[in-house]
Amino acid sequence: AQSVTQPDIHITVSEGASLELRCNYSYGATPYLFWYVQSPGQGLQLLLKYFSGDTLVQGIKGFEAEFKRSQSSFNLRKPSVHWSDAAEYFCAVGVMNYGGSQGNLIFGKGTKLSVKP
Amino acid sequence: EAGVTQSPTHLIKTRGQQATLRCSPISGHTSVYWYQQALGLGLQFLLWYDEGEERNRGNFPPRFSGRQFPNYSSELNVNALELEDSALYLCASSPTGKVGYTFGSGTRLTVV
Repeated sequence: AQSVTQPDIHITVSEGASLELRCNYSYGATPYLFWYVQSPGQGLQLLLKYFSGDTLVQGIKGFEAEFKRSQSSFNLRKPSVHWSDAAEYFCAVGVMNYGGSQGNLIFGKGTKLSVKP
Repeated sequence: EAGVTQSPTHLIKTRGQQATLRCSPISGHTSVYWYQQALGLGLQFLLWYDEGEERNRGNFPPRFSGRQFPNYSSELNVNALELEDSALYLCASSPTGKVGYTFGSGTRLTVV
């Protein structure tokens, strides 16, 4: 069965420091992978997605992620964190259904990011 | 372009009642997805509708149901509400077969 693991429940980094959020997935085929961010009480905003091609994916707000098939990982990175990046981050894998079209996403349980001044 | 809109923003119901949540997708999007985000449980997939048909369903009891209308808007119904149904219900939409979808801000359902 498909699954996503985000091993870190809560991470605290200093403003200006680099960030890496970990994500491991389990999926039988080539996955569609996503990172979303959620501010308190809000919906989820798509940061970036991977479905083929270059394994290093650039997203919004200065985020990037690297797909490593051998490690079944899709870690999210940012070189310099801003206080406004404090939020919860979710990794997700796309489950293919319905003749190969995109179906529902399976989400990890999220990593809460706190940023200290 | 208007995003995914959900109504109401907040909903308070009594145990045993029914709740109806609504979602309007982005114009041109034909797929609508419903997720439940309960405290400590992460995002759980509920339902996927596309072109008016239910395409997939998560591991939820039958009292969670929904439908998609000809204009692609969608409704989630929860019957016989239980306290454990208290959660943020998120709707998302995408064009058919496209990767990555857009979420609404959610409906906060509280069952008392």
